[in-house]
Amino acid sequence: GAVVSQHPSRVICKSGTSVKIECRSLDFQATTMFWYRQFPKKSLMLMATSNEGSKATYEQGVEKDKFLINHASLTLSTLTVTSAHPEDSSFYICSAREAGPETQYFGPGTRLLVL
Amino acid sequence: QKEVEQNSGPLSVPEGAIASLNCTYSDRGSQSFFWYRQYSGKSPELIMSIYSNGDKEDGRFTAQLNKASQYVSLLIRDSQPSDSATYLCAVRPGNNRLAFGKGNQVVVIP
Repeated sequence: GAVVSQHPSRVICKSGTSVKIECRSLDFQATTMFWYRQFPKKSLMLMATSNEGSKATYEQGVEKDKFLINHASLTLSTLTVTSAHPEDSSFYICSAREAGPETQYFGPGTRLLVL
Repeated sequence: QKEVEQNSGPLSVPEGAIASLNCTYSDRGSQSFFWYRQYSGKSPELIMSIYSNGDKEDGRFTAQLNKASQYVSLLIRDSQPSDSATYLCAVRPGNNRLAFGKGNQVVVIP
């Protein structure tokens, strides 16, 4: 089946620093990629939708200047959490949608801890 | 009305029994329906997709779709302890993105 990778899987950083998370579709081209965050025992929350070569569409309440998304190719999207603060600590999960069947596959997630 | 509703609370089933999960959705124009499994601390994993009315079977899993009733369900036969997880119903309405239900936690008791 389709595989989506994320890197890093876990990151600990100091408050005020920026963190970049990569999401790659390994064996298919993703027409669209999605970024979610999830707090413990809570539902997935969609942050933004990105299409290759165009600006990401952010969900209401998500700051686009804080969560920078770049979708450079059909297999790579990055999320940069700028000037991270402890409240940004969460589980960030990317998802890639395959063209054709339009099935959406999730990456393994990145656990971010901001001290 | 929420886009996707999964109302049942945690479901406990004995090992070997059938677990039944239900989901309703609000957008009658929805065409794509998915079930994901999420283990604690992990990301969701696609287990079933269904696009047309009726049943679709894959191993011990059966998805059932009834577009007239706006209802999709998942049956897990011969439940195993490894099936203990949260199951997310997802529907693609007319727009670009999946709408997820809150999930149903399934606990299989050995």
